[in-house]
Amino acid sequence: QVQLQQWGAGLLKPSETLSLTCAVSGGSLSGKHWNWIRQTPGKGLEWIGEINHSGSTNYNTSLKNRVTILVDASMSQFSLELSSVTAADTAVYFCARGVDTAMADYNYYYRMDVWGQGTTVTVSS
Amino acid sequence: DIQMTQSPSSLSASIGDRVTITCRASQSISSYLNWYQQKPGKAPKLLIYAASTLQSGVPSRFSGGGSGTDFTLTVTSLQPEDFATYYCQQSYTAPWTFGQGTKVEIK
Repeated sequence: QVQLQQWGAGLLKPSETLSLTCAVSGGSLSGKHWNWIRQTPGKGLEWIGEINHSGSTNYNTSLKNRVTILVDASMSQFSLELSSVTAADTAVYFCARGVDTAMADYNYYYRMDVWGQGTTVTVSS
Repeated sequence: DIQMTQSPSSLSASIGDRVTITCRASQSISSYLNWYQQKPGKAPKLLIYAASTLQSGVPSRFSGGGSGTDFTLTVTSLQPEDFATYYCQQSYTAPWTFGQGTKVEIK
């Protein structure tokens, strides 16, 4: 079955760029959406953005000016870059696969069905 | 953005209890509602999508209902492995947004 394995730097200084990578195994990137989500005790789960296999992206407007999500289909990987980090970006970051399938009512329902293990990122001077 | 509000924020229950968690959207989202379970130190796990469709492999004691703005997650006969935090998430329109979570603890 599809598995996601993520990694990246866990300790950053303010103004640095956060960089995380998520590798997909057991399945293809095609036809799916590849998401980044973060979690903090204060704000809970926050969706950061997504990319599809062809590189089309959709970002949360709250972070849009600082976020870049890229895909490398040849490596079955996608990545997150978040620039100019502050303490407010301290969180656990997850990658997740997004799928949408047609149901009996002919509508497509989207959900995130496979998640990476999470990476704790701390921003501190 | 669509705001998702869960209630209660936490609850205490015993093994074998029936538990219901409520999620309310700030606007109608039809049936574009997912439920996740999260245990400490782990990633969220998809339980239910499209408001009431059980994800493959999820026990049938979990069920979801509702449409429009009001949704429920019910666990019949709570098991030890069900003590966790539960989140709703709307997939009606991006940005996808989550409820603040409901922690189910052992009484």
